[in-house]
Amino acid sequence: RKEVEQDPGPFNVPEGATVAFNCTYSNSASQSFFWYRQDCRKEPKLLMSVYSSGNEDGRFTAQLNRASQYISLLIRDSKLSDSATYLCVVNPYSGGYQKVTFGTGTKLQVIP
Amino acid sequence: NAGVTQTPKFRILKIGQSMTLQCAQDMNHNYMYWYRQDPGMGLKLIYYSVGAGITDKGEVPNGYNVSRSTTEDFPLRLELAAPSQTSVYFCASRGTYGSDEQYFGPGTRLTVT
Repeated sequence: RKEVEQDPGPFNVPEGATVAFNCTYSNSASQSFFWYRQDCRKEPKLLMSVYSSGNEDGRFTAQLNRASQYISLLIRDSKLSDSATYLCVVNPYSGGYQKVTFGTGTKLQVIP
Repeated sequence: NAGVTQTPKFRILKIGQSMTLQCAQDMNHNYMYWYRQDPGMGLKLIYYSVGAGITDKGEVPNGYNVSRSTTEDFPLRLELAAPSQTSVYFCASRGTYGSDEQYFGPGTRLTVT
């Protein structure tokens, strides 16, 4: 089993739609979790951290389910500018060198 | 504050040639990383460093070398380039305390033919 697995893409959704991505991780001791966004031919950038209680940032909501070992990202009212690849990132260590593991990404295309 | 910078942006190498990818950050971050990203794949860690003078291997270190003589700079050396090293290379840095966020450079697109 891969350390981090993401929903296969691409997701093609109309503007205004709600879309959700899931990401599963294999190491039950993993400590911290993130969603990064990567635009085409650009570097990844942090979208949001994922907290145990779940967290929201505008139209974006991140959830963590430790029992089932997955994290999710929900995007409401999708905009054309949300089109990108979303990378799930898991840090298996508490402190230390922070060698995080990146998922392969889920591509989102928002259609007019 | 430029963040993380990488040079060159693009490079074409012939098989067997060598080159150094440059990476610098001006945020006084202790942690620095080199990743490669192949088409449709996730980022694979090549090498990382926790401070000047300290480096260690990641998942895919073969064919690469690094050094960290200063906090700011973390060059990646490719010796005897092979077609399998055709990829996009990203350098990243992170502070020691506080946020876990990694800041990435714009990447170097390398083709080995």
